[in-house]
Amino acid sequence: SQTIHQWPATLVQPVGSPLSLECTVEGTSNPNLYWYRQAAGRGLQLLFYSVGIGQISSEVPQNLSASRPQDRQFILSSKKLLLSDSGFYLCAWVLGTANTEAFFGQGTRLTVV
Amino acid sequence: QQPVQSPQAVILREGEDAVINCSSSKALYSVHWYRQKHGEAPVFLMILLKGGEQKGHEKISASFNEKKQQSSLYLTASQLSYSGTYFCGTRPFGNEKLTFGTGTRLTIIP
Repeated sequence: SQTIHQWPATLVQPVGSPLSLECTVEGTSNPNLYWYRQAAGRGLQLLFYSVGIGQISSEVPQNLSASRPQDRQFILSSKKLLLSDSGFYLCAWVLGTANTEAFFGQGTRLTVV
Repeated sequence: QQPVQSPQAVILREGEDAVINCSSSKALYSVHWYRQKHGEAPVFLMILLKGGEQKGHEKISASFNEKKQQSSLYLTASQLSYSGTYFCGTRPFGNEKLTFGTGTRLTIIP
């Protein structure tokens, strides 16, 4: 069966520090991968999505970047965090060749202090 | 561009019905519906594809009007467990982007 792992679950980082969040998918190949951010009490903002290794589409100009070094690995990074980067970050995958549901990781709650 | 949901929030008594609407400015290939409990990841409810609709759960159903680029989620005889925030997700034609709406917060009271 397919599973998605996202870590860490919570993170407290000082302003100006770097960030690396990792998401891996098991049990499938060539998934579409997505990073979302959710501010407190708000909707899901699409940050990046990827349809293959090295292929990244950026939705919102910001302080973040994403990479997909392997088929089932998706990484969200920042060189210098801002206070506004705080939020709940969710990784999701969708089977690449079919229009099916999205499966979400458990999320990372990031607090920038 | 995010799809727009309405209402933003609704409070119901147990047993009452609710309708949540989702509207997009783009032609859609599919519409997804999810429910999120506080602090948790969204959970899939159902997906509606061009040319049809798919019912995912008992007492929770949805419709998809392709021409109007709209979808509605229907919750009948609501239960306490239905509380949470509902999101619609949309995928346009020829694009793998999955964008979620602004969310509808549903509160069910006894």
